Amino acid sequence: GQQLNQSPQSMFIQEGEDVSMNCTSSSIFNTWLWYKQDPGEGPVLLIALYKAGELTSNGRLTAQFGITRKDSFLNISASIPSDVGIYFCAGLRGGSNYKLTFGKGTLLTVNP
Amino acid sequence: GAGVSQSPSNKVTEKGKDVELRCDPISGHTALYWYRQRLGQGLEFLIYFQGNSAPDKSGLPSDRFSAERTGESVSTLTIQRTQQEDSAVYLCASSPGVQGVSEAFFGQGTRLTVV
Repeated sequence: GQQLNQSPQSMFIQEGEDVSMNCTSSSIFNTWLWYKQDPGEGPVLLIALYKAGELTSNGRLTAQFGITRKDSFLNISASIPSDVGIYFCAGLRGGSNYKLTFGKGTLLTVNP
Repeated sequence: GAGVSQSPSNKVTEKGKDVELRCDPISGHTALYWYRQRLGQGLEFLIYFQGNSAPDKSGLPSDRFSAERTGESVSTLTIQRTQQEDSAVYLCASSPGVQGVSEAFFGQGTRLTVV
């Protein structure tokens, strides 16, 4: 099935650095979600975005819902070792609040 | 339990055999979702249950896949005549009410390996 275009695929950064990742799509989404997945675990929701242009923060995380409704980005500031994991973007199209389309994920490694 | 519970956590099966995966949602959650995650990929929607409504099965990849849910409790996902392409982590999630998947909690998944 269709997936979102998520980039970068992986990132290796030093502790304390800021991180940015993004997702794009050729079609419109009405909701954007960002998840983090640790090895052997299910994904955990980090931030949910419901309106075009919306900018939302959750601690050191900030995410934005693109004006065109075809993209979103996630920023992590002042990274720490526990930020290591796979980050996924996901979107919901109009008419569904349960059928998510996911990106392939960004693997983040933080060197202490 | 406090979270979504899935069993088994790991399953290795021979090609052609049937497998049954179980999901125990969070008590009181009326919505239940099954997603599949292939190696190195994002999750793919399989099926959605909401209360006593007819489930949305549009994500099931073939007629070898089926799922049931009794009321608002346990769900089982059955894969018949397994193929190697079915190897993946199968994730279940549940959420309260009709707010949708943005309110959902995922289980740890069942890692299925077909050999």
